[in-house]
Amino acid sequence: QKEVEQDPGPLSVPEGAIVSLNCTYSNSAFQYFMWYRQYSRKGPELLMYTYSSGNKEDGRFTAQVDKSSKYISLFIRDSQPSDSATYLCAMTAGNTPLVFGKGTRLSVIA
Amino acid sequence: NAGVTQTPKFQVLKTGQSMTLQCAQDMNHNSMYWYRQDPGMGLRLIYYSASEGTTDKGEVPNGYNVSRLNKREFSLRLESAAPSQTSVYFCASPERVSGKAFFGQGTRLTVV
Repeated sequence: QKEVEQDPGPLSVPEGAIVSLNCTYSNSAFQYFMWYRQYSRKGPELLMYTYSSGNKEDGRFTAQVDKSSKYISLFIRDSQPSDSATYLCAMTAGNTPLVFGKGTRLSVIA
Repeated sequence: NAGVTQTPKFQVLKTGQSMTLQCAQDMNHNSMYWYRQDPGMGLRLIYYSASEGTTDKGEVPNGYNVSRLNKREFSLRLESAAPSQTSVYFCASPERVSGKAFFGQGTRLTVV
């Protein structure tokens, strides 16, 4: 079993839809959870960051962490064509290298 | 604020040739990483350096060497390139403890 599992998609939604992206993990030592967004032919950019369990909201984006279930989610409200990208979850125990999911490719259709 | 800078952006090598990928960060971070990204495989860690003077193997180190030249610079060397090393290479530098990593724009390498 991989340490971090993420459905690669692709996921295609109409503009304005709510998007839900998820990852599961196996290492209970992970405490820091991140979502990165990667546009085609660009480097990953940090989108959301959460420490331990709970929710974090930033504009149209909400990140959720459920450590008891080893499950993290990213929600995108009122999705826009500019949200079309690959979304990667990443996590670390702290002072150790980030472990990434394989990424989910999202297309938002106008 | 440059963040993480990688050179070159593109490179084509013939099998057996060598090359060095350069990475520099201006955030005064202790740690630096090298990842490769392949279709369907996500980001896989090649080598990392937790501090100046130290390096450690990651998930896929075979065929690569690294040098942590100073706190700012971390280079990745392919001594004898193989077609299996065709990939996009990313350098990243994380904040201490939180692990928030900042990435360069990548080097697209093709080995023919």
